[in-house]
Amino acid sequence: GAGVSQSPSNKVTEKGKDVELRCDPISGHTALYWYRQSLGQGLEFLIYFQGNSAPDKSGLPSDRFSAERTGGSVSTLTIQRTQQEDSAVYLCASSLARGLAGTGELFFGEGSRLTVL
Amino acid sequence: TQLLEQSPQFLSIQEGENLTVYCNSSSVFSSLQWYRQEPGEGPVLLVTVVTGGEVKKLKRLTFQFGDARKDSSLHITAAQTGDTGLYLCAGARYNFNKFYFGSGTKLNVKP
Repeated sequence: GAGVSQSPSNKVTEKGKDVELRCDPISGHTALYWYRQSLGQGLEFLIYFQGNSAPDKSGLPSDRFSAERTGGSVSTLTIQRTQQEDSAVYLCASSLARGLAGTGELFFGEGSRLTVL
Repeated sequence: TQLLEQSPQFLSIQEGENLTVYCNSSSVFSSLQWYRQEPGEGPVLLVTVVTGGEVKKLKRLTFQFGDARKDSSLHITAAQTGDTGLYLCAGARYNFNKFYFGSGTKLNVKP
């Protein structure tokens, strides 16, 4: 499809296990974001990739969280040694990031719902 | 601590009523966006405002960016059941493309 694709859509894991969440952005979009959303609340910023620049990791809640973006396209968010408080919907968004900064539209995927038992 | 605070957090109204959702911050933003999210889906952009004092209208929705660029409001006239959803404001600071999202307002419009 032409939109942002995320997988898996649902993931149930046991406390202490590692999980990987994948995001396929819209082709040609240079900016990619990961957000976390708990219980239909607001979005918590995690990490931001822009082209070949160093990613902005300032939102990652702990060193158990990491993300990479290979070839400027697909991104993987990894959570190591998962905890129950990691349970949330993880949303990925991409943007063209052109024109006046802060005006680009974010296109979101449907999210990956993570449940840590 | 949330950079952008939205109020009210929940709103349940009858079809045909008017409502206003507020998005406030102590920080200045270069731009402000509003998104609407339905259950099981990602947020979808409604509008972007970039000029202090700017007012934008989209059919029954009116968006305003505060003069000091610290706050915004969304006003819906004659709400419809199709307006039900989670409304999120998002701000970008200092000409960066990093967006901070508000705490969200969950709107339920009853028939």
